[in-house]
Amino acid sequence: DAGVIQSPRHEVTEMGQEVTLRCKPISGHNSLFWYRQTMMRGLELLIYFNNNVPIDDSGMPEDRFSAKMPNASFSTLKIQPSEPRDSAVYFCASSFRQTQETQYFGPGTRLLVL
Amino acid sequence: GNSVTQMEGPVTLSEEAFLTINCTYTATGYPSLFWYVQYPGEGLQLLLKATKADDKGSNKGFEATYRKETTSFHLEKGSVQVSDSAVYFCALSRSGGSNYKLTFGKGTLLTVNP
Repeated sequence: DAGVIQSPRHEVTEMGQEVTLRCKPISGHNSLFWYRQTMMRGLELLIYFNNNVPIDDSGMPEDRFSAKMPNASFSTLKIQPSEPRDSAVYFCASSFRQTQETQYFGPGTRLLVL
Repeated sequence: GNSVTQMEGPVTLSEEAFLTINCTYTATGYPSLFWYVQYPGEGLQLLLKATKADDKGSNKGFEATYRKETTSFHLEKGSVQVSDSAVYFCALSRSGGSNYKLTFGKGTLLTVNP
């Protein structure tokens, strides 16, 4: 059974460009999470969806970040315009139920904004 | 608010040495506690978990006991292998209506030398 799939695995872009990260959760999971990992701040939850509906986006750093989940099998995280401080590894995770259930992480997208 | 504090690394051990990585937490209510492991270039994987006081989680020779009296969840392994080299994250899930949210520690890098 396939795990969480993320694309691209690596992205290098220039400041000001739009970046779109993609995630396919595990089939049957109804919760999806976007995290950002940096050396300075560790692992931060950006946004959480339940049944395709955004539940908590309090971790989204600013309006340049947006996330969508148009259906149960696909989600995007968009940064527009990108800045060098957005450089990080972005993880998507999914789980079957939101209450105390294991989250399954994708391999991450390593983003570098020059 | 909820928080997780784990010992700072890096931790460097020789093969077959005993491992302890300390983790303490601050939380309201009765959180579930987790250890996740991140191998180089990969996403996080659940290593073990415990959902109530005095529970012991175990997997792949690793163990951790939920100690409510000391608010701790220390990770131990009796004999580490080179393949255990990774970053280890302690985490808790908030009890109550928003159980979805995992709060992570900063992570501890473990390197095991042959």
